[in-house]
Amino acid sequence: GESVGLHLPTLSVQEGDNSIINCAYSNSASDYFIWYKQESGKGPQFIIDIRSNMDKRQGQRVTVLLNKTVKHLSLQIAATQPGDSAVYFCAENRGYAGNMLTFGGGTRLMVKP
Amino acid sequence: GAGVSQSPRYKVTKRGQDVALRCDPISGHVSLYWYRQALGQGPEFLTYFNYEAQQDKSGLPNDRFSAERPEGSISTLTIQRTEQRDSAMYRCASSLRGGHETQYFGPGTRLLVL
Repeated sequence: GESVGLHLPTLSVQEGDNSIINCAYSNSASDYFIWYKQESGKGPQFIIDIRSNMDKRQGQRVTVLLNKTVKHLSLQIAATQPGDSAVYFCAENRGYAGNMLTFGGGTRLMVKP
Repeated sequence: GAGVSQSPRYKVTKRGQDVALRCDPISGHVSLYWYRQALGQGPEFLTYFNYEAQQDKSGLPNDRFSAERPEGSISTLTIQRTEQRDSAMYRCASSLRGGHETQYFGPGTRLLVL
């Protein structure tokens, strides 16, 4: 069925390296995408979002890329730090379906010191 | 400022009992959402409100689940005649407005039905 999914369930990187977390979506009607970070025992924390009329958006140490042609979303984290270790979820908002978010299954990022 | 708060943080109940989970959104936020999250999974939509009006309840699993937000602020998710399969983390989120607005999540209520 239509869903938001992730290619890699676990990503292990060395501290200081750049991280790339990928996400595929299948609904071409989705027009808003969000990345959340979830640390153990906490609720999802907003990282960055992007609307479908954009290809790239940058934040502090994070960049989200959207490729609508292949329905692919990625989160790039520059100079990954131990504090970045968490589970990362991408989520989509299908504008026609209201305000609910549809989440993928998550990717666990592990940063090695 | 204060974020989304939820209570209780943990709830253990026996099968067949009713439970009420509370969400206190960020002050001034119009939209309030309920999600359920299984371990290792992303949150799954249950229902949402704009002010006191329930806009979408398509994600509620069955008629044992209900939600209300009578004064457009605090919301309660009620599960009647709980079953073991209801055990999960229940999360609340709020956003300033509906549409493409950031949803801020609370810490969740862990429900365990014995």
